[in-house]
Amino acid sequence: DAGVIQSPRHEVTEMGQEVTLRCKPISGHNSLFWYRQTMMRGLELLIYFNNNVPIDDSGMPEDRFSAKMPNASFSTLKIQPSEPRDSAVYFCASSPQAGSYNEQFFGPGTRLTVL
Amino acid sequence: KNEVEQSPQNLTAQEGEFITINCSYSVGISALHWLQQHPGGGIVSLFMLSSGKKKHGRLIATINIQEKHSSLHITASHPRDSAVYICAVRKSGNTPLVFGKGTRLSVIA
Repeated sequence: DAGVIQSPRHEVTEMGQEVTLRCKPISGHNSLFWYRQTMMRGLELLIYFNNNVPIDDSGMPEDRFSAKMPNASFSTLKIQPSEPRDSAVYFCASSPQAGSYNEQFFGPGTRLTVL
Repeated sequence: KNEVEQSPQNLTAQEGEFITINCSYSVGISALHWLQQHPGGGIVSLFMLSSGKKKHGRLIATINIQEKHSSLHITASHPRDSAVYICAVRKSGNTPLVFGKGTRLSVIA
């Protein structure tokens, strides 16, 4: 089992550039979550999908952030234009949907640095 | 006020010591998770529990639903246990996790 796959693992870009982070959830999982981790705020939800449909995007900081899930095996998180304060580790996680007691499986994260 | 509070924030222990990390939450939950994050950054799920106690090797997690409190215990601690331990709760069903700020544990040989 490959687990949750994220790419790239590291991204360094300049302010104003577009950044696209990618995630492949575990096959068969119906829920996908994007989290962001910073030193100041810890881990926070950005957005999550159930069956490819965005359910809650209240954690998305502003219009510069957008996320899509075109099919059950792929999701993207895009930042355009990027700013230095977006520097963080972005985690994708997936979870089976059945029942209430679902573990979440985390990808390795993408460490983003915006200069 | 954060919905999930952990204590202590930082903890240094000698190898072999018994360690306890505490987590309190202020909302109704369907499950509580304990996660481990090593210096390399990856996050691993240690436990998911909604009542009672679970044990895995030297790790024990307990939860008291009435008191909205959970503890993570490590027996016979070892330097390889050094990591950040994060408590997270799930409010209902398949909703996202709400995280505590984490406890940074260092175990010294």
